[in-house]
Amino acid sequence: ETGVTQTPRHLVMGMTNKKSLKCEQHLGHNAMYWYKQSAKKPLELMFVYNFKEQTENNSVPSRFSPECPNSSHLFLHLHTLQPEDSALYLCASSQDGLAGGLSTDTQYFGPGTRLTVL
Amino acid sequence: AQSVAQPEDQVNVAEGNPLTVKCTYSVSGNPYLFWYVQYPNRGLQFLLKYITGDNLVKGSYGFEAEFNKSQTSFHLKKPSALVSDSALYFCAVREGGGFKTIFGAGTRLFVKA
Repeated sequence: ETGVTQTPRHLVMGMTNKKSLKCEQHLGHNAMYWYKQSAKKPLELMFVYNFKEQTENNSVPSRFSPECPNSSHLFLHLHTLQPEDSALYLCASSQDGLAGGLSTDTQYFGPGTRLTVL
Repeated sequence: AQSVAQPEDQVNVAEGNPLTVKCTYSVSGNPYLFWYVQYPNRGLQFLLKYITGDNLVKGSYGFEAEFNKSQTSFHLKKPSALVSDSALYFCAVREGGGFKTIFGAGTRLFVKA
């Protein structure tokens, strides 16, 4: 799991707080993803970045704001969250075959940040 | 639209017995199919994938999966289950060339000693 790291591993925040989740991948991949994993629900894709450009925003509320300053780092900025936003937030990366590069299509996941909104 | 169905919330099997975790999919183009496993308090780990070629795909930890185009299925199998295989298993599908991977709801596997 050292290929994709996420910090913090656990976060408790109030509804008026502002916090950020951080993801870093050490695999040289060009695509990064944010997923939300809630109890008894399928994994939900939130955002996709490819070569630092956002290519997917899966109808995510504006209280979640992603940032991808370079291909190795991905942030998820949180503000005025709701209790139903409590979940495990997973980051993933992959090497996709754009620009003639080798495509693995396989996503490598970080350990996740367990978020609790009070 | 892409979709994945894992019809079983839970599968129970005795150690040493064969196991099967079922997955069916729907995608308009060529499917890229994946199996991932999640252990408690961990992220998802890649097990195996089908992109093209031989319908029987072999992956990590002795797992394999068979792509069946006519039945649109990609069931995960292992000839002899271990207690350490107990985990949450996710099937996923991606349309070839796209970035969006759709995951199933997951199947919890319990292997009893």
